[in-house]
Amino acid sequence: DAGVTQSPTHLIKTRGQQVTLRCSPKSGHDTVSWYQQALGQGPQFIFQYYEEEERQRGNFPDRFSGHQFPNYSSELNVNALLLGDSALYLCASSSQRTGRNTGELFFGEGSRLTVL
Amino acid sequence: AQSVSQHNHHVILSEAASLELGCNYSYGGTVNLFWYVQYPGQHLQLLLKYFSGDPLVKGIKGFEAEFIKSKFSFNLRKPSVQWSDTAEYFCDVNAQGYSTLTFGKGTMLLVSP
Repeated sequence: DAGVTQSPTHLIKTRGQQVTLRCSPKSGHDTVSWYQQALGQGPQFIFQYYEEEERQRGNFPDRFSGHQFPNYSSELNVNALLLGDSALYLCASSSQRTGRNTGELFFGEGSRLTVL
Repeated sequence: AQSVSQHNHHVILSEAASLELGCNYSYGGTVNLFWYVQYPGQHLQLLLKYFSGDPLVKGIKGFEAEFIKSKFSFNLRKPSVQWSDTAEYFCDVNAQGYSTLTFGKGTMLLVSP
């Protein structure tokens, strides 16, 4: 049973560029959440996708956008990259059927983005 | 909105020492509480969780946590730590009815052999 998979694992971009990160949820899960973990900080919630729609959003600018596909996989896009966007981006999956009232999430290993 | 405060950013212990990591949350409603752990080079994984019932919950690898509602606390404990417990520990809260987590800043635990 595959867990949450993310790609790429590492990438380097320059300021102003755009980046797309990808996530495949754990088998049987239908909800994908994205988190940003800066160095020395806990993960910060970016947004959550369910049924191909953004359902909840944290305090992140519109430069951060996402998408969920019919197979439940998801993408995180960040436009006009800033140095401060350098972080580990975590994808977490859950099931609305069993996870809606619990908050238990299953995490991928993350995509480490470095912006120069 | 909910928030989580973890008392210690770094903890250094010798093997066999006892561990207690403090966690307080703020939220006016009913919550679910979690501790996640991130071992070096690995992804975040669930250590233990509290939804309801017995406020003393047991997790994997001998960890336990006690929910004290009056103190808005959910402290993590282990009677005797091992070198393999070296990791970063995150306390998390989820407002019931929402499937997102609010993380604390994490506590880096280093256990020396």
